[in-house]
Amino acid sequence: DVKVTQSSRYLVKRTGEKVFLECVQDMDHENMFWYRQDPGLGLRLIYFSYDVKMKEKGDIPEGYSVSREKKERFSLILESASTNQTSMYLCASSLWAGDEQYFGPGTRLTVT
Amino acid sequence: DAKTTQPTSMDCAEGRAANLPCNHSTISGNEYVYWYRQIHSQGPQYIIHGLKNNETNEMASLIITEDRKSSTLILPHATLRDTAVYYCIVRVWDSNYQLIWGAGTKLIIKP
Repeated sequence: DVKVTQSSRYLVKRTGEKVFLECVQDMDHENMFWYRQDPGLGLRLIYFSYDVKMKEKGDIPEGYSVSREKKERFSLILESASTNQTSMYLCASSLWAGDEQYFGPGTRLTVT
Repeated sequence: DAKTTQPTSMDCAEGRAANLPCNHSTISGNEYVYWYRQIHSQGPQYIIHGLKNNETNEMASLIITEDRKSSTLILPHATLRDTAVYYCIVRVWDSNYQLIWGAGTKLIIKP
């Protein structure tokens, strides 16, 4: 079975802190994704990566950056966390662009 | 914006078939219908997808109308563990990574 793991289930950070969210997949998938999920807004794509060191902006990239140095690992970085980045963050991977996406359990980030 | 319309919530008795409708009246010829579900406090889980033929797998069946403007996801024997939010999504098969997520249907299975 595909397994997508995220570094933390719950995270509390202060405004202005730099935050790293890590995602690892174990199925040699080409594509990896970062979403955030907010009540009433559903899942929104922040960034995705289709290959090592490659990245593309999603719908809401502002305030975020990403890093993919190894195929299995995709990191989401909040350079200076703000309270409006309090959300559930979900990582996903897929073998190729049109394939089904496999999701991790999510990280609930609270910025105070 | 999401290209699908789903009821906000539905109930179903345990052991019965759960039929979840989805309207996608603006679907294009090369767009597939995908279904995912999200159980509370978990990430979304892929269920099934189809283009125009009906599809069945170990989890569910997908019935797509002939005009492709709507579809129904069928969970044949619903259990309490099927309580979740179910998302119907349309997407182009190979040119776009992006899934456009709507609000989904909250399905509650009652004992």
